[in-house]
Amino acid sequence: SQQGEEDPQALSIQEGENATMNCSYKTSINNLQWYRQNSGRGLVHLILIRSNEREKHSGRLRVTLDTSKKSSSLLITASRAADTASYFCATDGGSYIPTFGRGTSLIVHP
Amino acid sequence: NAGVTQTPKFQVLKTGQSMTLQCAQDMNHEYMSWYRQDPGMGLRLIHYSVGAGITDQGEVPNGYNVSRSTTEDFPLRLLSAAPSQTSVYFCASKQGRSYNEQFFGPGTRLTVL
Repeated sequence: SQQGEEDPQALSIQEGENATMNCSYKTSINNLQWYRQNSGRGLVHLILIRSNEREKHSGRLRVTLDTSKKSSSLLITASRAADTASYFCATDGGSYIPTFGRGTSLIVHP
Repeated sequence: NAGVTQTPKFQVLKTGQSMTLQCAQDMNHEYMSWYRQDPGMGLRLIHYSVGAGITDQGEVPNGYNVSRSTTEDFPLRLLSAAPSQTSVYFCASKQGRSYNEQFFGPGTRLTVL
């Protein structure tokens, strides 16, 4: 079964607004990662947060991790049309191989 | 660096045919993985390898074989293709055990008739 589950499944916003996506997972993790996938392309790594970290920033991205609730969130500030993509969280357990959720489809309208 | 490369990009098979999806990486990464992506299902792990000569099963291994004779290559074999194996297949690699981002290939779109 898939470890992580993203919420919402789909998100539609206007350019300039913030986008927040959530990820819940089932078992303990070593780290959690977020990836982006543009339509028909491979996945691109966005950010990694370790299990002992609570928050991490990278440009317009902010990731939080709450291991007590087994959840993470990805915030994209000041969204652009180019941010339109699917976003996946990935967690790794004992094997250190990331397993993925079903993703959130984000549409940013110009 | 070419990163992670996959061939072919597209393939159509008939039920029962066999084929090998190729994956290669030039980053000297220890870990390599195969995923399949189906609509609404995200990516599901098929097989993975933590080094040459070492492979293990993921979430959905049935119908697929892998081997890892070199660090660079990690081919995925379909012995007898079935329509349920119609999917987009992604190969990925990462440097080592932990705290490493994973790099993905561009994918192979497979249709089994």
